[in-house]
Amino acid sequence: GESVGLHLPTLSVQEGDNSIINCAYSNSASDYFIWYKQESGKGPQFIIDIRSNMDKRQGQRVTVLLNKTVKHLSLQIAATQPGDSAVYFCAEMDTGRRALTFGSGTRLQVQP
Amino acid sequence: EADIYQTPRYLVIGTGKKITLECSQTMGHDKMYWYQQDPGMELHLIHYSYGVNSTEKGDLSSESTVSRIRTEHFPLTLESARPSHTSQYLCASRDHNEKLFFGSGTQLSVL
Repeated sequence: GESVGLHLPTLSVQEGDNSIINCAYSNSASDYFIWYKQESGKGPQFIIDIRSNMDKRQGQRVTVLLNKTVKHLSLQIAATQPGDSAVYFCAEMDTGRRALTFGSGTRLQVQP
Repeated sequence: EADIYQTPRYLVIGTGKKITLECSQTMGHDKMYWYQQDPGMELHLIHYSYGVNSTEKGDLSSESTVSRIRTEHFPLTLESARPSHTSQYLCASRDHNEKLFFGSGTQLSVL
């Protein structure tokens, strides 16, 4: 069946380093992808999105890369800060689905 | 910042009680959703609505029900809570650009 999953359940980085969080999806019909950040006890917070007609999109300190050939999505965080510590979810949607499908999340731990 | 609110923030109740989790948004979004999330796990869609008087069940089977009498309000009800219902319940609404905005969630514990 369709699924969205993450390669690494926990990622630990040093403050100031760049972080890369990966995500694989299996639905080739997916045409919209979003990264969410979820801090403890809070709802997911939108970070950045990308549509399937793009392969890269940049935001403030974040970049999302989409490789449709291998159905892979990544989130790059530049100069990671302690405030970036959270669980990060990727989510996908295709035009035939009713809502976003979420992966299982990656916990990012930033070491000072 | 999204204007979507959930109450209560935390709820501890006994088995067999009827509960309603409230969700309201002030953005005028037609599409609203309820997700269930266990700690550290992915979000599972349990209900959604595309507008007033429109409600559908999601991917994850749930014993809860929802209603959508007003655009801004999308409450979720459990007629008889059980310990297996213990979880976090997240409400969301979607704008015309497909962006999903979440509330802070209700952490439900059924004893």
